[in-house]
Amino acid sequence: KNEVEQSPQNLTAQEGEFITINCSYSVGISALHWLQQHPGGGIVSLFMLSSGKKKHGRLIATINIQEKHSSLHITASHPRDSAVYICAVWDGEYGNKLVFGAGTILRVKS
Amino acid sequence: KAGVTQTPRYLIKTRGQQVTLSCSPISGHRSVSWYQQTPGQGLQFLFEYFSETQRNKGNFPGRFSGRQFSNSRSEMNVSTLELGDSALYLCASSLASPGRGTSPLHFGNGTRLTVT
Repeated sequence: KNEVEQSPQNLTAQEGEFITINCSYSVGISALHWLQQHPGGGIVSLFMLSSGKKKHGRLIATINIQEKHSSLHITASHPRDSAVYICAVWDGEYGNKLVFGAGTILRVKS
Repeated sequence: KAGVTQTPRYLIKTRGQQVTLSCSPISGHRSVSWYQQTPGQGLQFLFEYFSETQRNKGNFPGRFSGRQFSNSRSEMNVSTLELGDSALYLCASSLASPGRGTSPLHFGNGTRLTVT
């Protein structure tokens, strides 16, 4: 079993839809990142969480430490949101190793 | 403020050769971490340097090494290249050691290495 599991693997949505991407992890962590990768390779860090909820524009990220689960929500999705979204966790109390999920490929159609 | 700069962008090497990749962090950032991305394995953590010291290391063979200089610039070296080393190599910088959950990561655009 992978330490970090993301779902769904692929997601196609219509413009304007509310989108949720889930991340579950099996290890104790010090922090969790949500990353966005566009074709061509560039990665942008969207959120870094160790507890609670964060919001930036149309993006919301939540984390439940007890349940070892995080979600990334996109409200009013737009074709420019099409990208790969990757969850990554710092493994261990002191963040010894960054472990990545396999990513969710999101396509938003207009 | 300039972002994270990785050089070169593209590299083609032959099996058995060695390669050195460079990463210049955002000014003031003291942590540099390196990652390998392949279609089969996805993103994997290589190692992290903070103030010239390797803090953390992923599960890669000793052929993969790195170092960080006093100006925080970092280099990654892969010796005795294998076909399976073909990948996108990314580095990221942060103010503090990102594993503590206090500093976000800022990624470079990567170096695409092809081993023939």
